Amino acid sequence: GAGVSQSPSNKVTEKGKDVELRCDPISGHTALYWYRQSLGQGLEFLIYFQGNSAPDKSGLPSDRFSAERTGGSVSTLTIQRTQQEDSAVYLCASRLGVDTQYFGPGTRLTVL
Amino acid sequence: DQQVKQNSPSLSVQEGRISILNCDYTNSMFDYFLWYKKYPAEGPTFLISISSIKDKNEDGRFTVFLNKSAKHLSLHIVPSQPGDSAVYFCAASASGNSGYALNFGKGTSLLVTP
Repeated sequence: GAGVSQSPSNKVTEKGKDVELRCDPISGHTALYWYRQSLGQGLEFLIYFQGNSAPDKSGLPSDRFSAERTGGSVSTLTIQRTQQEDSAVYLCASRLGVDTQYFGPGTRLTVL
Repeated sequence: DQQVKQNSPSLSVQEGRISILNCDYTNSMFDYFLWYKKYPAEGPTFLISISSIKDKNEDGRFTVFLNKSAKHLSLHIVPSQPGDSAVYFCAASASGNSGYALNFGKGTSLLVTP
């Protein structure tokens, strides 16, 4: 497809379980970002990947959160031992050069 | 610490009139500003952007104005259409900061009534 895709679109999990969220960026886009939007809040930056460089993890809220990007394309965001405050919409975006970031539809995570 | 603020959570405008959405920021290092539009259950869609070296950028019905001294930007939509009803997010980035990671406001929900 032409745009950023994310899966799953919805995820319901129990507190304490681990979850994995996937992002397929636009083909050829070298930069990839993860954001999250909690209820009533703006989007919050989590992590940034650029090519093969080490990721910028400065936005990750705790060490339960991690992400990887394999082969410079697909990325997976992993949340270990989920908590109720992790409930949010997790959005992925990709960018080419210094152009605009293009967002995927997001994954709505609900932690019960 | 919210560096980008949208103080109006909602705005209602009649079709054909002008919609003005406002945004304030606190970080003087921001040098690129964007507006995104978001429909329910969809990701944000890029609308228009402006570099800090400019004070105005226009694209069809959409114009963004930047006032650096006031750390304020606004989005004008003229004429407003019912299809413009959505949540609008203001975002800003600084060169070299986390790869232009965006700092977002909390959004303004625009309703354009027929």
